[in-house]
Amino acid sequence: EIVLTQSPTTMAASPGEKVTLTCRASSSVSYMHWYQQRSGTSPKLWIYETSKLASGVPNRFSGSGSGTSYSLTINSMETEDAATYYCQQGSSYPPMNTFGAGTKLELK
Amino acid sequence: EVQLVESGGGLVQPGRSLKLSCAASGFTFSNYYMAWVRQAPKKGLEWVATISTSGSRTYYPDSVKGRFTISRDNAKSSLYLQMNSLKSEDTATYYCARRGTGYVMDAWGQGASVTVSS
Repeated sequence: EIVLTQSPTTMAASPGEKVTLTCRASSSVSYMHWYQQRSGTSPKLWIYETSKLASGVPNRFSGSGSGTSYSLTINSMETEDAATYYCQQGSSYPPMNTFGAGTKLELK
Repeated sequence: EVQLVESGGGLVQPGRSLKLSCAASGFTFSNYYMAWVRQAPKKGLEWVATISTSGSRTYYPDSVKGRFTISRDNAKSSLYLQMNSLKSEDTATYYCARRGTGYVMDAWGQGASVTVSS
């Protein structure tokens, strides 16, 4: 079973600051998906297949990585980016989906 | 517009049962795998169940296997989660999600709150 470890657990960033969130897998995976969840709302798909932005996601966001290390980067933090971000991976054998514990990104 | 609307949540005593429903619209429901994901209060996301397009294959994590059953009615564009032998640790918001290629959850409902307490 793959375990996803996100870091940091919580962080604060100022408007305009560059932000990088990390997700590490316990064994090599082919891709990573990322979700954004603002307080009191449902999760939204944010980045899929490691680097593809979901519909409506601003291009200040980017995703990268391979093997066991993946990251989500915000080029220039904006107020609306304050949220919790979860990474997620799925597998066929065994058939399951795994989420990381999340990184809470706050506005400084 | 893709819409997923959960219903059926509520307060239930430990050991009892509850059935959640999810009404889908805005896409061809029968073409997609579907899933349930839950979130305990102040906690992260936990995958609960997945069902194939026809309903013939279902998948669960060990935490709910044998207690929860996912099902679907393609004619009604509806997804269900039957939860039996509920425990306090099942208290959570339950989200219905559409599963796209590569195991991505590309659309989510607003969630149904389930509280298991005496």
